[in-house]
Amino acid sequence: NAGVMQNPRHLVRRRGQEARLRCSPMKGHSHVYWYRQLPEEGLKFMVYLQKENIIDESGMPKERFSAEFPKEGPSILRIQQVVRGDSAAYFCASALQTGLNTEAFFGQGTRLTVV
Amino acid sequence: GDSVTQMEGPVTLSEEAFLTINCTYTATGYPSLFWYVQYPGEGLQLLLKATKADDKGSNKGFEATYRKETTSFHLEKGSVQVSDSAVYFCALKEAGGGSNYKLTFGKGTLLTVNP
Repeated sequence: NAGVMQNPRHLVRRRGQEARLRCSPMKGHSHVYWYRQLPEEGLKFMVYLQKENIIDESGMPKERFSAEFPKEGPSILRIQQVVRGDSAAYFCASALQTGLNTEAFFGQGTRLTVV
Repeated sequence: GDSVTQMEGPVTLSEEAFLTINCTYTATGYPSLFWYVQYPGEGLQLLLKATKADDKGSNKGFEATYRKETTSFHLEKGSVQVSDSAVYFCALKEAGGGSNYKLTFGKGTLLTVNP
């Protein structure tokens, strides 16, 4: 059973371009979470999705950021018109179910650099 | 809101030395507490967890005890190995409020073990 797969591992974008980050959860997992790690900071929750639904997007910036988890295919985190402050590591995690004691499995992350 | 404060790094030790990485938290109610480890080039892996006061989580020689009275969850290992070199993250999940899936992380502590 493959782990959580994120791609690309590294992504370089110029200011104003779009960034698309992909996350394939572990087989059978229908709960996906995105976290962002800014330089010198801990991981911060961004969004929680189940298949075709956004459950909690309280950590998402109000503009330029969106996320989806379609019925088929990976979850996508999309950043439009990137700025230098978007440079960070973006981690995806998946879980079989939700809850206090449920383990979330993390991917290796996508390191976005905006130049 | 919830927060996690962990020991600033980097920490450099010689093989077989004793390790302590301090972690304290602020939360309402009784959160679950976690330590995650990130080896170079990999995603975060759950190292150990504790779900209630006085619980001790342990794995791979690492231990941490949930101390409600001091709101702490310090990570310890009696004899570190070179292969323990990694970044260690303390994290919590809040118990109530309908968001018991959301992890709050500390900033991470880089541990380097020299032979």
